[in-house]
Amino acid sequence: AQSVTQLGSHVSVSEGALVLLRCNYSSSVPPYLFWYVQYPNQGLQLLLKYTTGATLVKGINGFEAEFKKSETSFHLTKPSAHMSDAAEYFCAVSDSDSWGKLQFGAGTQVVVTP
Amino acid sequence: EAQVTQNPRYLITVTGKKLTVTCSQNMNHEYMSWYRQDPGLGLRQIYYSMNVEVTDKGDVPEGYKVSRKEKRNFPLILESPSPNQTSLYFCASSLSQGPNQPQHFGDGTRLSIL
Repeated sequence: AQSVTQLGSHVSVSEGALVLLRCNYSSSVPPYLFWYVQYPNQGLQLLLKYTTGATLVKGINGFEAEFKKSETSFHLTKPSAHMSDAAEYFCAVSDSDSWGKLQFGAGTQVVVTP
Repeated sequence: EAQVTQNPRYLITVTGKKLTVTCSQNMNHEYMSWYRQDPGLGLRQIYYSMNVEVTDKGDVPEGYKVSRKEKRNFPLILESPSPNQTSLYFCASSLSQGPNQPQHFGDGTRLSIL
C-alpha cells in the first residue's frame, strides 16, 4: 500500500522568495505522483504529474517538481512566489497495484506575505 | 466547458435525515470517486466507480452509499447522517482508472450534520 507524507502543514513565504513544499512517498512498485492545488472554496486542480520518463516535471503557474527515487521524494518548487500562490497544496501517489486509487497527503497551506 | 458538478454546495441538516449529494460530469469519464476532506487528514476516498454498475469501497465507506446507473452521474447517499460525517466532500472523475490519469474535481459540498 502506498502512503504520502507532506512535511509542514503551514508554510509562509515572502513574495518573490523560493517556494519549497516537501513530499515523501512510500510505494512497493513504481509510483505515479501528483501535486494538486486548492484555492479557497474551490476543488482541487492538477499542478503537475510524474508518470514515467524525465524526473523533472514542469507544471502550471511556474511550478516544477523532481522525482527522486533514491530519496522517495517529489518536492514541489517555484523560484519566485506570487501573492496568487496562496493556497493549499496536496501531494498524491498512485501506482499500478492500486487500480488508480489516489492516496493524498495531509496538505500544506501556503501563505504569501508582501 | 468540461466540468464536474456537485449539488448542493452547502447543506446543514440534522442527524438521521437521509440526504443525497449529486455529482455529474460531462467528459464521458469512466472513473468517478468520492472523497471527504478533513483538517489535517487530507482527502480520503469514500467510494469509487470504474464504470457503470461497478462500484467499490475506498478507505472510509462506513455510513455512505453510492450508485452508478449512468456514466455521467455518481450520487453519494447518506442514509442516516451523523455528526461525524460533517465534512467537505469532493467528487472527482478521470478518463479511466489507470494510475497515471489525473482526476478532475468538483468544487465541493460542505455538509454540516447537527
